[in-house]
Amino acid sequence: EPEVTQTPSHQVTQMGQEVILRCVPISNHLYFYWYRQILGQKVEFLVSFYNNEISEKSEIFDDQFSVERPDGSNFTLKIRSTKLEDSAMYFCAGSGVRTGELFFGEGSRLTVL
Amino acid sequence: SQELEQSPQSLIVQEGKNLTINCTSSKTLYGLYWYKQKYGEGLIFLMMLQKGGEEKSHEKITAKLDEKKQQSSLHITASQPSHAGIYLCGASGSSNTGKLIFGQGTTLQVKP
Repeated sequence: EPEVTQTPSHQVTQMGQEVILRCVPISNHLYFYWYRQILGQKVEFLVSFYNNEISEKSEIFDDQFSVERPDGSNFTLKIRSTKLEDSAMYFCAGSGVRTGELFFGEGSRLTVL
Repeated sequence: SQELEQSPQSLIVQEGKNLTINCTSSKTLYGLYWYKQKYGEGLIFLMMLQKGGEEKSHEKITAKLDEKKQQSSLHITASQPSHAGIYLCGASGSSNTGKLIFGQGTTLQVKP
């Protein structure tokens, strides 16, 4: 069964460092998302991506964040200069249709020290 | 902005018992989604509801959306240890995209 793959599963970084989280979505999906979940809090929407551009983004997704899908397979989330409050589980998700029926990856846990 | 409130926050049931989880929205629901999350893992889609009064079932799980489209319930019949996890409801806006607002989750433990 096809699945969404995320790497790394866990990354520890120093504050101020750049981090790239990678996702390989299911091959026939067209809509891609990043969500995050700070420990003990709700799952929060960050950004949606369709047709090689951002379609929607939340207030959390400021200039420190960027996404791209450079080679038509990998979908990446970059945090330019990490802050302590960026520590969270980051989930990549995808869908073949424009609804909330999403296929999520297992997540990448980011710890910022 | 829309808020989703789930109740109860956590639930411990004996195997074989029925249970219900509720999700209440501060605004009209256009698309209501139920997901299950195992601790530290990704979310797994369970069901989507869009129409007032709609009810869907899959195996022993039934989800309903009320007529006013502001409340949904998830009912599990004859619970099993495999049902344990965190259940989240998520709502899409009027455009019904994958941009979801989630409730805080309900943690379910099933005792054998």
